[in-house]
Amino acid sequence: GESVGLHLPTLSVQEGDNSIINCAYSNSASDYFIWYKQESGKGPQFIIDIRSNMDKRQGQRVTVLLNKTVKHLSLQIAATQPGDSAVYFCAENKGGSYIPTFGRGTSLIVHP
Amino acid sequence: DAGITQSPRHKVTETGTPVTLRCHQTENHRYMYWYRQDPGHGLRLIHYSYGVKDTDKGEVSDGYSVSRSKTEDFLLTLESATSSQTSVYFCAISETGDGVGYTFGSGTRLTVV
Repeated sequence: GESVGLHLPTLSVQEGDNSIINCAYSNSASDYFIWYKQESGKGPQFIIDIRSNMDKRQGQRVTVLLNKTVKHLSLQIAATQPGDSAVYFCAENKGGSYIPTFGRGTSLIVHP
Repeated sequence: DAGITQSPRHKVTETGTPVTLRCHQTENHRYMYWYRQDPGHGLRLIHYSYGVKDTDKGEVSDGYSVSRSKTEDFLLTLESATSSQTSVYFCAISETGDGVGYTFGSGTRLTVV
């Protein structure tokens, strides 16, 4: 089976709330993690990434947290907006591999 | 997406017919990938290329072949389309090939009837 998965297939939030999308991985050799956003009818777009030697990385309104102890990854979106509605994928890249493994995705629905 | 174009965007074809999907990039990136996306499966790698004429199989390569005669073009061919190949196909490009910063195309929705 896949080594990358998501806890919740759908997350509904109100505009202005903070959103947290979770991802579990099983391969402790993974050294690079990526979050992608996919809007309806479009290809996935890179959001943010994090290396395994980091615990946290921040971007514009997004923060990725990595907990290697429990092999857990999360994407936090601050002040969620309707434009954030999309499917979010996490992906992991195993050490020495050039091919990331993608999770199934979580659908984020933002209600105005 | 800027720098990467997939064609066609939509196609309906009959079972048993050959189909070729095209991915064209203007970024001069060395690495190119073909994925399929199906409900419940996420993105699955079909084939990838690490240079002109250099290709390799992904996890779901059966029934598919690829060719890369130029840096900018990566073709995916279904030799004899089957209904199980109905899917959305995405091409991706990467400069470094280490999983960092993929850029995806907009996808091709293929229906095999």
